[in-house]
Amino acid sequence: EDQVTQSPEALRLQEGESSSLNCSYTVSGLRGLFWYRQDPGKGPEFLFTLYSAGEEKEKERLKATLTKKESFLHITAPKPEDSATYLCAVRYGGGNKLVFGAGTILRVKS
Amino acid sequence: DTEVTQTPKHLVMGMTNKKSLKCEQHMGHRAMYWYKQKAKKPPELMFVYSYEKLSINESVPSRFSPECPNSSLLNLHLHALQPEDSALYLCASSQSGGSNQPQHFGDGTRLSIL
Repeated sequence: EDQVTQSPEALRLQEGESSSLNCSYTVSGLRGLFWYRQDPGKGPEFLFTLYSAGEEKEKERLKATLTKKESFLHITAPKPEDSATYLCAVRYGGGNKLVFGAGTILRVKS
Repeated sequence: DTEVTQTPKHLVMGMTNKKSLKCEQHMGHRAMYWYKQKAKKPPELMFVYSYEKLSINESVPSRFSPECPNSSLLNLHLHALQPEDSALYLCASSQSGGSNQPQHFGDGTRLSIL
């Protein structure tokens, strides 16, 4: 079964058109939810960690939020350089595994 | 620039070859990871080393053999690979295996099996 589900699979935005990406999870004992950005041919680049419901983190045009069932990555006034695949991952229970969602491919056109 | 360095960046090998992938980090992290990533898929965990000891093996075939010579280095030895093993192999590190600190990834080795 899917433990981490990201939506949409792909998102096309015009430059300046704000939107949100969703990551829902069905694990128990969440120990951390992580957002990464991955450019083609590169490894995932760490963006944010969220640990508890209600927590928010911001970095430039990105803002990540967390509830008990899902996380949102809000992108405000995106630029073409924000185009990438955005991955979320969760760590839960007593282990140190990261379980990744399938990712959202974001394309921002100028 | 990533603080986790992987070499080589690209590797082409035949099914009978033996090769090794290398990973190095100088952040003082004590947990290191190998992931496999197929095109348009998320990374899949293969191995975890914590304090230089193998702590997780995700039922990876024995043709993949990990090694952690010291806390800064991680190797993945490859032998008799199959065409379906062609993928991007990612190394990552974190402060310790039990912490909630994020994993930091290298840019990977793109492996092609002929």
